[in-house]
Amino acid sequence: AQSVAQPEDQVNVAEGNPLTVKCTYSVSGNPYLFWYVQYPNRGLQFLLKYITGDNLVKGSYGFEAEFNKSQTSFHLKKPSALVSDSALYFCAVRDTQAAGNKLTFGGGTRVLVKP
Amino acid sequence: EAGVAQSPRYKIIEKRQSVAFWCNPISGHATLYWYQQILGQGPKLLIQFQNNGVVDDSQLPKDRFSAERLKGVDSTLKIQPAKLEDSAVYLCASSLAQGHTGELFFGEGSRLTVL
Repeated sequence: AQSVAQPEDQVNVAEGNPLTVKCTYSVSGNPYLFWYVQYPNRGLQFLLKYITGDNLVKGSYGFEAEFNKSQTSFHLKKPSALVSDSALYFCAVRDTQAAGNKLTFGGGTRVLVKP
Repeated sequence: EAGVAQSPRYKIIEKRQSVAFWCNPISGHATLYWYQQILGQGPKLLIQFQNNGVVDDSQLPKDRFSAERLKGVDSTLKIQPAKLEDSAVYLCASSLAQGHTGELFFGEGSRLTVL
């Protein structure tokens, strides 16, 4: 079975400082990995994905993520955080060996960027 | 391009009553998903459709939840009778096809409160 873990319920960072949101995954085959962001009372918005190729993936709003197969991780990063980045972030995985294309989400990490 | 449309945005009912949520996916998207997001948790897949067929409903509580996508376009999720623990946001999402690489596009969700 596929699963995702986001070990931090909340991450606090000062504006202008680097932001990292951690994610680890477990799959039987190869993973396809995704990051989504959720603002209050809104649906989830796609940020970026890793399918294959370069381990460093760049996405929307200056975010990037690094795929590390040996550590089964896909941490989300932003070099300089903005107050407007404060939101709920979800990591998700698809297992290429699983039937269908079910996307399994982690429990989410709340990011609070302070001015 | 219009996004995923959901209604109603908010619904309050008494336990044992019934409720229905409607979703219209992005035009041309063959795959439609219903997720349940309980406060403080990540989204959990309830059911996945490919056109008008069910791909995965393994986590759908079939004694009280039902969903249909009769013409392969819009979909309805019904809960009857509702329990207190059904209080959650019900998210509808769609994607182009049943491929592993595509991201999901989410609606803004329907927030259900069961009293």
